[in-house]
Amino acid sequence: NAGVTQTPKFQVLKTGQSMTLQCAQDMNHNSMYWYRQDPGMGLRLIYYSASEGTTDKGEVPNGYNVSRLNKREFSLRLESAAPSQTSVYFCASSFDGVWRSEQYFGPGTRLTVT
Amino acid sequence: KQEVTQIPAALSVPEGENLVLNCSFTDSAIYNLQWFRQDPGKGLTSLLLIQSSQREQTSGRLNASLDKSSGRSTLYIAASQPGDSATYLCAVRSYNTDKLIFGTGTRLQVFP
Repeated sequence: NAGVTQTPKFQVLKTGQSMTLQCAQDMNHNSMYWYRQDPGMGLRLIYYSASEGTTDKGEVPNGYNVSRLNKREFSLRLESAAPSQTSVYFCASSFDGVWRSEQYFGPGTRLTVT
Repeated sequence: KQEVTQIPAALSVPEGENLVLNCSFTDSAIYNLQWFRQDPGKGLTSLLLIQSSQREQTSGRLNASLDKSSGRSTLYIAASQPGDSATYLCAVRSYNTDKLIFGTGTRLQVFP
């Protein structure tokens, strides 16, 4: 039972480089999310997808793009990385039917931008 | 705007103690409240979810309560063990934004 998986686990980028963080869930969840976690700031929502085919901005979307490739996969792209994007990135998913349900998190991607 | 506060920021207790972690939120119009555990360098593990219509939820040695009217939740850990050492996060899902808003966590250390 894999749950939510993320790749890569670690990444070092130089300023201006681009990369895509991958996320997949095998729980048939409708909603998927990307968060970043920074010391002293807690977790902040970057983008989310309430259902396949839809995406919306969260609290801190600038500098990021997302794609909900299908029901299982939700990717986060950094087009031109900046040092301010050094962070730990978490993907999460939830079923969200009639009731708002639990969110389940992946193990995270630790990104350093130099 | 919903704000979530967790006090204390850090707590150190001897093994075997019963302890309470606190979470407060400013807007009582919520769908639910979720407690998570995060070990150093790891992701978040969901511990308990309390829907807005519920008063408490229990899982093993953990009991979470919710008082929406006062904007408070507590996580009670019975007979604490060194393996309980981690950061505990609470998050509320507001009607207003339909998003999870996180507190900054309580870092718990249980020493033998």
